[in-house]
Amino acid sequence: DTGVSQDPRHKITKRGQNVTFRCDPISEHNRLYWYRQTLGQGPEFLTYFQNEAQLEKSRLLSDRFSAERPKGSFSTLEIQRTEQGDSAMYLCASSLTGFLETQYFGPGTRLLVL
Amino acid sequence: QKEVEQNSGPLSVPEGAIASLNCTYSDRGSQSFFWYRQYSGKSPELIMFIYSNGDKEDGRFTAQLNKASQYVSLLIRDSQPSDSATYLCAGPQEGNEKLTFGTGTRLTIIP
Repeated sequence: DTGVSQDPRHKITKRGQNVTFRCDPISEHNRLYWYRQTLGQGPEFLTYFQNEAQLEKSRLLSDRFSAERPKGSFSTLEIQRTEQGDSAMYLCASSLTGFLETQYFGPGTRLLVL
Repeated sequence: QKEVEQNSGPLSVPEGAIASLNCTYSDRGSQSFFWYRQYSGKSPELIMFIYSNGDKEDGRFTAQLNKASQYVSLLIRDSQPSDSATYLCAGPQEGNEKLTFGTGTRLTIIP
């Protein structure tokens, strides 16, 4: 078990460009979550999947954001037409399904929009 | 009102002393809480969770949950410099599908 991995670890882009992040969860975990964290704040929930089904999206997630988990394994988070306010750490977490199942976080992707 | 609130600190504690971190929550239906530690520039890592009233101990860490008063705390005994980090309190919402985090408390252990 290598833990949750995310790629890339860092991304610098210009405003208006599209970016895509990838998350590979722990292999047997059927739940996958995306969070966003800005400096001095705790992670904020964006969306989560149960296998390949996207079950919930936060109101924070504008229509420029889209996430997929096509085969119930890895997930991608795409941001279209990036804005400076999108600069943040994007965290992926995974867990088993069930009461009190721990969410294990990946190392995050730090996005800087210039 | 934010659902999970923490004192953002910073909190400074001498090495070897007890560090006390607190968190309050607004949802009376919350059943469980998680404490995560986050080093600067790193992702959160779980320290412990608690789901029943009272104390739960794990090594130098003790989590306390008081559902009547709606607060949860984390005590770190014999604080070490390596405990210097931001500590995040998180509670699951709506059946544990997602976590709502506090803003975190930055803890510094002074050698």
